[in-house]
Amino acid sequence: DAMVIQNPRYQVTQFGKPVTLSCSQTLNHNVMYWYQQKSSQAPKLLFHYYDKDFNNEADTPDNFQSRRPNTSFCFLDIRSPGLGDAAMYLCATSRDRGPEKLFFGSGTQLSVL
Amino acid sequence: GENVEQHPSTLSVQEGDSAVIKCTYSDSASNYFPWYKQELGKRPQLIIDIRSNVGEKKDQRIAVTLNKTAKHFSLHITETQPEDSAVYFCAARGGGSYIPTFGRGTSLIVHP
Repeated sequence: DAMVIQNPRYQVTQFGKPVTLSCSQTLNHNVMYWYQQKSSQAPKLLFHYYDKDFNNEADTPDNFQSRRPNTSFCFLDIRSPGLGDAAMYLCATSRDRGPEKLFFGSGTQLSVL
Repeated sequence: GENVEQHPSTLSVQEGDSAVIKCTYSDSASNYFPWYKQELGKRPQLIIDIRSNVGEKKDQRIAVTLNKTAKHFSLHITETQPEDSAVYFCAARGGGSYIPTFGRGTSLIVHP
């Protein structure tokens, strides 16, 4: 009964080789988020969607892009991964804007060789 | 924007002891303060939250207190158990944004 599903659980890519991470949700939530989490650090918000409206954080590198083709799915594209992009990528959802609980996926651990 | 400081970064206690994790925030308009628990290799999960119109909230062995004047809030875990071992993140939702800002996390280790 997983509610926020991320695939794959582990992803290995080569330096500079584009990679796509996926997230799906069965909650019908309006808001979907992508966080980057490096070891022993807080999750860092990359961007989020409120419905179809895309919101990019000011310090998110251009190397990171996102797509939300429908309510249920959201993708994170890393166009040219560098060694510094190795991290856990967490997808999360919330029912709406406001003081809402975040529901996280299990994450994708990205390694860059 | 909002800035959240969390202390300590690591907390080691004996089973049965109490544990307290403290966070401060910068935006006086912040109105929502959730706490997430992340066990090793697992997703963060909400364990308790508090809104700015409440000073304290309890759920069994877990409690959160909020001091709006001082702009700090704390997580209290009583009668700690080994399964409480995890990283705990506090967060604050600023008045001008619906996106919570996370603290850096506290690694709680409960020794049997």
